Amino acid sequence: DVKVTQSSRYLVKRTGEKVFLECVQDMDHENMFWYRQDPGLGLRLIYFSYDVKMKEKGDIPEGYSVSREKKERFSLILESASTNQTSMYLCASSFGREDIQYFGAGTRLSVL
Amino acid sequence: GENVEQHPSTLSVQEGDSAVIKCTYSDSASNYFPWYKQELGKGPQLIIDIRSNVGEKKDQRIAVTLNKTAKHFSLHITETQPEDSAVYFCAASSSQGAQKLVFGQGTRLTINP
Repeated sequence: DVKVTQSSRYLVKRTGEKVFLECVQDMDHENMFWYRQDPGLGLRLIYFSYDVKMKEKGDIPEGYSVSREKKERFSLILESASTNQTSMYLCASSFGREDIQYFGAGTRLSVL
Repeated sequence: GENVEQHPSTLSVQEGDSAVIKCTYSDSASNYFPWYKQELGKGPQLIIDIRSNVGEKKDQRIAVTLNKTAKHFSLHITETQPEDSAVYFCAASSSQGAQKLVFGQGTRLTINP
């Protein structure tokens, strides 16, 4: 079974803190994705990566950065957390360009 | 870029009845249309998908139809059961570049016993 693991289920941070969300997949997938999920807005793509050290902006990259130093790990970084970044963050991975995306369980981040 | 609209936002049906969720997309280059189910406390999971060279696809109680001319696709669930209660998302993807999925807003489906 494909497993996408997000390091934290819940996180509470203060405004201005630097926040790291970690995601690991165990299926040697090439592509990895970070989404945020907000009620009424569905899932919106923040960043994705199709290879180690490669990254591309999604639809809402402002305020975020990413890092992919190893194939299995994709990190989302909030350089200076703000209250409008309070959300559910979902990581996903896929093998090929048109393959199924497998999601982690999500990290619910609250920024106070 | 692509825009996906999903309706309704909430849907309540009696157990055993059918449920239909509809999505429209804007980019005629989109050619891959997956549907995901998200249960409480879990990440979305693919339940069925369709590509633009196919008009309909079925998997047991679940079916998806695609109308490329009208740019809309629908999820049909027959003989609904309590375990079908979840949030459902449609998505669309273009063949250009890496697989960028654009998701609809989601539908919360409740099956009433």
